Parts: sequence; C-alpha cells; structure tokens
Amino acid sequence: QKEVEQNSGPLSVPEGAIASLNCTYSDRGSQSFFWYRQYSGKSPELIMFIYSNGDKEDGRFTAQLNKASQYVSLLIRDSQPSDSATYLCAVNSFMDSNYQLIWGAGTKLIIKP
Amino acid sequence: ETGVTQTPRHLVMGMTNKKSLKCEQHLGHNAMYWYKQSAKKPLELMFVYSLEERVENNSVPSRFSPECPNSSHLFLHLHTLQPEDSALYLCASSQETGGDYGYTFGSGTRLTVV
Repeated sequence: QKEVEQNSGPLSVPEGAIASLNCTYSDRGSQSFFWYRQYSGKSPELIMFIYSNGDKEDGRFTAQLNKASQYVSLLIRDSQPSDSATYLCAVNSFMDSNYQLIWGAGTKLIIKP
Repeated sequence: ETGVTQTPRHLVMGMTNKKSLKCEQHLGHNAMYWYKQSAKKPLELMFVYSLEERVENNSVPSRFSPECPNSSHLFLHLHTLQPEDSALYLCASSQETGGDYGYTFGSGTRLTVV
C-alpha cells in the first residue's frame, strides 16, 4: 500500500512567521511531488511542484525534497492570514499499469493575526 | 470559460433518485478524473479516463457510473446512493495520466444524500 502521510494539524503560526509543513511518502520510486492549497469549501489548487532533491523557491513559498529520507516539505515565509487553508501533499507513484497521484489527508494551517 | 468547470455546485438527492454530475475542461488535457473527498480523509480516486478510455476504476460501487463522451467532457451518473456517499466530488484534468505537471481541479459538487 503506497501512502503519503501528513500531520492533520491544525498548525497555528503567528502572522509574519515561517510556516513549515511536512509530508512523508512510502514509494521510493516516486519522481514528482506536489503541494496543493485548499480553502474551506473550495477545490485544491496547485501551488508548488518539485522533482529534484533540494529546494525550489517561488515567491514566499519554498518546497524542499529529500528522496533519501522520503520527505517533502513546504515553507511559507512571512505568513499571512490569507495563507490559512488546508495544504495537501501529493506524490506521483506507479500503480497497476500507470502513474497516479497519491494524496495525503492534508494539514490545516491557521495564521494568527 | 477557462480551466475545469463542474455543475451543479450543490446537489441534494434522495436515495431513490437518479442524477448526473457534469465536468468540462477547456485546457486541452488528455486525462480526466473523478475524486471523492470526505472530511479528514485523503482524496479518493474513483475513475480515470485517458483520451476517452477508462484506465482506472478503483473498486467503486456500481451506483456510480462514469461516462466520457470526448476528451473535454466527463459525467458521473448517480443512482440509488447511500447517505455515506455524501461528500465533495471533484473533477480534475491533466496533460497525461500520472499528472507530471499536476492536476487542475474543478470547483466540485457538494453532494448530500438524504
């Protein structure tokens, strides 16, 4: 059973601080890793993807990948109340005869003004 | 219209009703998906279509019946549902199956079975 694990939270972070979200995955063969943001009552939207070990930065967001340890993380700098949402981690995995995204249950992030 | 559009946004149906969910993607993608999202659970993949051909059916009860008439449209036909089927149903698309560049989701249908 290929799995993606996330702490469900809620993770409470003061406004302006760095929010750190973590995700571990079980399939060593996974090649693509994604972070989605989902506001309450809305659908998930892609905010970052990463394929290679190391860091990838996009504005206030940094994705970090460590394939040896099988974890991927998302850092949000200068957190804003508008960042309050559930963050879903997804990992590309080969199952049956094709690749699928395997999803974590999400971490709820609350940014306190 | 851009992206992925789903209708209706909300649906309340009785256990003996028949209804359909509709999804349309305007991105030129080749793969489309139906997902079920229940509270506190990971997204559950229901069906995958690639170029109108079903490539995945994750042991979904037969009361859910998908239809993909072309690569831009996807339907989910519902009949004799159970209260535990109440959830958010999401349609998504990607360039190819496996979503190397991620999936684009529709706004979802909030389904309540009474």
